[in-house]
Amino acid sequence: AQSVTQPDIHITVSEGASLELRCNYSYGATPYLFWYVQSPGQGLQLLLKYFSGDTLVQGIKGFEAEFKRSQSSFNLRKPSVHWSDAAEYFCAVGPYNQGGKLIFGQGTELSVKP
Amino acid sequence: GAGVSQSPRYKVAKRGQDVALRCDPISGHVSLFWYQQALGQGPEFLTYFQNEAQLDKSGLPSDRFFAERPEGSVSTLKIQRTQQEDSAVYLCASSFKGGSGTSYNEQFFGPGTRLTVL
Repeated sequence: AQSVTQPDIHITVSEGASLELRCNYSYGATPYLFWYVQSPGQGLQLLLKYFSGDTLVQGIKGFEAEFKRSQSSFNLRKPSVHWSDAAEYFCAVGPYNQGGKLIFGQGTELSVKP
Repeated sequence: GAGVSQSPRYKVAKRGQDVALRCDPISGHVSLFWYQQALGQGPEFLTYFQNEAQLDKSGLPSDRFFAERPEGSVSTLKIQRTQQEDSAVYLCASSFKGGSGTSYNEQFFGPGTRLTVL
C-alpha cells in the first residue's frame, strides 16, 4: 500500500536550535517526494521536492531534506530554527508524471520556544 | 502572477444543505486536483481533472460529492445533502505540463475552503 508516515505529531524546539522532521514512505514506483508547510488558515506552500539526482536537496527558507532510498526516508532539516517557522509540516509522495495524486502524511506540528 | 484562488474561504451549512466550492487555478495549468483535509490530518485526494476531463474520481467519498470543470479552467466541487462528517478544509491544487514533452507533478495549492456543517 502507498503511504507516508510522519512519526512525530508535535515537536517543540528552541529558537536557534536545529530541527529534523521525520518522514517515511511506502511507494511502489520511483517516488517524487515533497515537503509542504501550512500556516494557520493558509494553503500548502512547497518547501522542496526530490525526484532524482543529488539526494540532499535545498529548499526555501533555509530548509533541506535528504533522500535515503535504503531507509525509505525523506527527512527535513534546518540548522537554526526561527520563531516564524512555527507551522504544520507535511511530507508527500506521488508519481513524477503529470496527473498523479499526492499522498500526504498526517503532518508534524512545530512549535518554537523563545 | 496570481496563485490558486478558492471561494468562499469559509462556509457554514446546515445538515442537508447543498454547497458549491469554487477553485480558480493558475492560468495555463492543465491539471487540477481537489483534496479534503480533516482537522488534524493531512490532505486526502478527492478527484483530478486534466483540462475539462475528469480522469480520476476515486477519492470522492460518496455520490453526494460531484466535481466539474466544464471549460478546463475554473472548477466547482459540489456537495449535496451535507453531513457533519463533510466538515473539513477543501483544498484545490493545480499543476502544468511543461514544453517539449516535459511532464511533472508539482502541485500549487490554494488557501482552501473551510466547510462547517452544523
